Amino acid sequence: DIVMTQSPDSLAVSLGGRATINCESSESLFYSSNNKDYLAWYQQRPGRPPKLLIYWASTREFGVPDRFSGSGSATNFTLTITNLQAEDVAVYFCQQYYFTPRTFGQGTRVEVK
Amino acid sequence: EVQLVESGGGLVKPGGSLRLSCVASGFSFWNYSMNWIRQTPGGGLEWVASLSRRDNRIFYADSVKDRFIISRDNARNSLFLQMNSLRVEDTAIYYCTRGSQETVMISDVWGQGTLVIVST
Repeated sequence: DIVMTQSPDSLAVSLGGRATINCESSESLFYSSNNKDYLAWYQQRPGRPPKLLIYWASTREFGVPDRFSGSGSATNFTLTITNLQAEDVAVYFCQQYYFTPRTFGQGTRVEVK
Repeated sequence: EVQLVESGGGLVKPGGSLRLSCVASGFSFWNYSMNWIRQTPGGGLEWVASLSRRDNRIFYADSVKDRFIISRDNARNSLFLQMNSLRVEDTAIYYCTRGSQETVMISDVWGQGTLVIVST
């Protein structure tokens, strides 16, 4: 199975600050035929189920604030949260969907400093 | 409102069985692939099983193959997971999720989850 490794495991950011979460895949997730990276990001707030934030590495799901952005390609990806708000406190997961089975990173916890 | 509501979780002994249910509302259930994804006590997410929307193609994680059965009843807007020969390592919150129309391999709607504990 494809291994997804996130870093750091946790980080504390000041309100209004920037959070940067990295996700590394053990294999390339880029499909040259459609020029897409098969990588998604989810947010899981405390006591809540995960929520889809971003897919195709950088496309925001409908209704997701533009302070969330995804970047990267092939094996290295980044989720950036700018202007951190209190409601952004959560665990963030990356997920690859190029290979079967789909697999998730271990999660990165974002807290307010 | 688009919603998924799971039920059927509980405490079961190793080797036992449970049947999870998920009722969908607010969207055309028959037109979507559906999944079960679980979250272990350590917080990790693991895809369990998927069922396609049209031709009922079924996929299982190796860890549950030959023990779990996923099924759906489009007339009742319901998804099921029959779990047999349960093991301690099956302990998790089980989420019913909807496959995105953009790509079925991501989940754009999640239920609240139902907790399954396998223990003596």
